[in-house]
Amino acid sequence: QQQVKQSPQSLIVQKGGISIINCAYENTAFDYFPWYQQFPGKGPALLIAIRPDVSEKKEGRFTISFNKSAKQFSLHIMDSQPGDSATYFCAASIVIEGKLIFGQGTTLQVKP
Amino acid sequence: DSGVTQTPKHLITATGQRVTLRCSPRSGDLSVYWYQQSLDQGLQFLIHYYNGEERAKGNILERFSAQQFPDLHSELNLSSLELGDSALYFCASSAQGLTGGEQYFGPGTRLTVT
Repeated sequence: QQQVKQSPQSLIVQKGGISIINCAYENTAFDYFPWYQQFPGKGPALLIAIRPDVSEKKEGRFTISFNKSAKQFSLHIMDSQPGDSATYFCAASIVIEGKLIFGQGTTLQVKP
Repeated sequence: DSGVTQTPKHLITATGQRVTLRCSPRSGDLSVYWYQQSLDQGLQFLIHYYNGEERAKGNILERFSAQQFPDLHSELNLSSLELGDSALYFCASSAQGLTGGEQYFGPGTRLTVT
């Protein structure tokens, strides 16, 4: 029940295209859903996060869509750029507990 | 740069040895979390400290322990090391204390056990 399932494992997108990564969770007590971006040799960097009281959050080219009834959320990267090539992790937590439960990660390659 | 620092960046040691990883949180953050990243297990929560007190444990082995000191830096101690302990170890800090929220990760320590 603590798992977060992420798909796809890898993704190749052309420059300018839309990258979509999906995550699903079971624990309805989760109330915080962040996305992290990780480059090789670096720590995960917080990209964008959402709480379950909203269905969408947009920051620049990055959008989280959240479907509470389906227990799913997704990251959309608009106008994908080669510099977006990285591994992306979704996560979920119960805010009062703090610990993050991570998905398995998606390796994104944006081709020029 | 997240403002979280970790030392050392790389650590190579032999099986059976003991190592200490150090983390300094962002200025003002009271919470420190430790995570392990390996190819087969992904990113896994190990332990959470808030203002010097242990708040939660995850999948942390008994051979591993942690502390948070009065200046809020934290250390993760790994003992009786095994080959399978080779991984990246990250700490993260949070400004929201007991209520979690945004966590900012350090650059990690890559541990190689030979």
